[in-house]
Amino acid sequence: DGGITQSPKYLFRKEGQNVTLSCEQNLNHDAMYWYRQDPGQGLRLIYYSQIVNDFQKGDIAEGYSVSREKKESFPLTVTSAQKNPTAFYLCASSRTSGASTDTQYFGPGTRLTVL
Amino acid sequence: KQEVTQIPAALSVPEGENLVLNCSFTDSAIYNLQWFRQDPGKGLTSLLLIQSSQREQTSGRLNASLDKSSGRSTLYIAASQPGDSATYLCAVRSGTNAGKSTFGDGTTLTVKP
Repeated sequence: DGGITQSPKYLFRKEGQNVTLSCEQNLNHDAMYWYRQDPGQGLRLIYYSQIVNDFQKGDIAEGYSVSREKKESFPLTVTSAQKNPTAFYLCASSRTSGASTDTQYFGPGTRLTVL
Repeated sequence: KQEVTQIPAALSVPEGENLVLNCSFTDSAIYNLQWFRQDPGKGLTSLLLIQSSQREQTSGRLNASLDKSSGRSTLYIAASQPGDSATYLCAVRSGTNAGKSTFGDGTTLTVKP
């Protein structure tokens, strides 16, 4: 069953804690993305990776970090430096990142709440 | 910087009605435009992708058009059904580094039985 999985579905964080959100894909896609969605708003790009061992900042990278050690995995760490982390986090992938034919496929999301 | 706007923010229609959702963007140098559907608390499902060289794409009751020169795209839904109720988002891929997509805030559609 091909697709993108994200875990956990719900995550609670205390002030000052770092937490890591998991994203795995078995679509053999080169490119992967992390987005943040706040209520009633569209998606904002946090980080993206076009290939293994490479990643670039999106529009709102401050307070977040990522790694891309394996093609199928792109974990996102929300650090204590992120002042307002409560949001819905969505991971996506596409075959490449530069072709006009590339469709982005999304995972089911992780809802992070700061206690 | 690319900006994407979707109007209206919310739309309520009776079942069976045909409807149009709008998406506008400021930078016409795009790679593609993608329409998505999002159900509450869920991820995004891709509906249609229009390449920059295309004018429209069709899938079932859905038809998406693209006019790059005016910076507009429309999503036409024919014979709407209650199951079409969801938020519809458009995303534009553009920029010197083609990895970036810019999303609109979405249109929340309610189809009443």
